[in-house]
Amino acid sequence: GENVEQHPSTLSVQEGDSAVIKCTYSDSASNYFPWYKQELGKGPQLIIDIRSNVGEKKDQRIAVTLNKTAKHFSLHITETQPEDSAVYFCASRGSTLGRLYFGRGTQLTVWP
Amino acid sequence: DAGITQSPRHKVTETGTPVTLRCHQTENHRYMYWYRQDPGHGLRLIHYSYGVKDTDKGEVSDGYSVSRSKTEDFLLTLESATSSQTSVYFCAIGQGSDISYGYTFGSGTRLTVV
Repeated sequence: GENVEQHPSTLSVQEGDSAVIKCTYSDSASNYFPWYKQELGKGPQLIIDIRSNVGEKKDQRIAVTLNKTAKHFSLHITETQPEDSAVYFCASRGSTLGRLYFGRGTQLTVWP
Repeated sequence: DAGITQSPRHKVTETGTPVTLRCHQTENHRYMYWYRQDPGHGLRLIHYSYGVKDTDKGEVSDGYSVSRSKTEDFLLTLESATSSQTSVYFCAIGQGSDISYGYTFGSGTRLTVV
């Protein structure tokens, strides 16, 4: 099956700085890459996604880039705010019944 | 989360007892999933369902069973709870393999086995 690796596992940034989280995947047939944000005590929530026919997608301060050749994709958060503090998960949709395979998560802390 | 409800939200149970967690959805989604979340391990798939009475194992299915007798309900049963099953359990729903949509997660059930 698919293998998704996510780095770093923890990330601390100053408010206003940018944060980048990177993921790699193994299944070349994967075609969909969502990112989830999980706040304390809550379930993961989809914040942005990208399909394999697109190289980059932006939504306000959040952007995702995809390099299919290298099989990696990244989440970029600009002008970080304390409310961005959360655990972020990347995922990849493999070829097995549309399952999502998740990375292990990144704990992002934004210091005021 | 809208359209998906997990119950109970919290449970403490004793080692060796059976426990059933419930996931209920109102979205009529075909796919449903059970994950457990533990520090350092992220989200690990226990079981999933791709239709009524159609289920399959995930990576960490030992000690767990599932049932789906209706589209809207997906039950996870710990046959004989052990301390290693202390975790936060999340249910998720998905629209299908041909549609590029992510999952919607429930709010989770925190299970403590003492």
